[in-house]
Amino acid sequence: QKEVEQNSGPLSVPEGAIASLNCTYSDRVSQSFFWYRQYSGKSPELIMSIYSNGDKEDGRFTAQLNKASQYVSLLIRDSQPSDSATYLCAVGSNDYKLSFGAGTTVTVRA
Amino acid sequence: GAVVSQHPSWVICKSGTSVKIECRSLDFQATTMFWYRQFPKQSLMLMATSNEGSKATYEQGVEKDKFLINHASLTLSTLTVTSAHPEDSSFYICSARDPQGPGVAFFGQGTRLTVV
Repeated sequence: QKEVEQNSGPLSVPEGAIASLNCTYSDRVSQSFFWYRQYSGKSPELIMSIYSNGDKEDGRFTAQLNKASQYVSLLIRDSQPSDSATYLCAVGSNDYKLSFGAGTTVTVRA
Repeated sequence: GAVVSQHPSWVICKSGTSVKIECRSLDFQATTMFWYRQFPKQSLMLMATSNEGSKATYEQGVEKDKFLINHASLTLSTLTVTSAHPEDSSFYICSARDPQGPGVAFFGQGTRLTVV
């Protein structure tokens, strides 16, 4: 599988703050990029998908993709305690296989 | 999003026995499904790609004779862990890609396997 690196965390932010998550990937021909949220003991849940350079916003979440820098990020605005989870960056290739990063654990302090 | 159902959600089995895990796409046909394994505090590792009507493709280091995959229909893939050992205890998760959709993978609920 291709390499996907995430800042390991844990990341602790106060409620209402912005949480910033970063991810880099090694395969230049990667086509699709995803952020999944995983609560302890549960399977991953899709938060965002992004396919082209730039920003994509969905509610309190914004994903940013820079293919030249092989970098994708996720911003969580107005963080809530329910956002406390592990966030997985996933990168897809032409064969639709996903390579996952190790995940960043986020804790939102009330 | 599309719904992928995985069963059972947890199973405890004795060492040396076999366990079958089912993965179903409920509202779409999935020609391709993926099986992952996740150990505690680690990320998901792809084990194999399940292809409807043909043999599964296994990732390097995954024993195909130990992890039997069958994808007999467009909505069902099964993973059988044969001769299970305690080191096979893990969280097994399947995913499916909706071929009509944007290429996003949807995950089943996962199966927590404990081998005693």
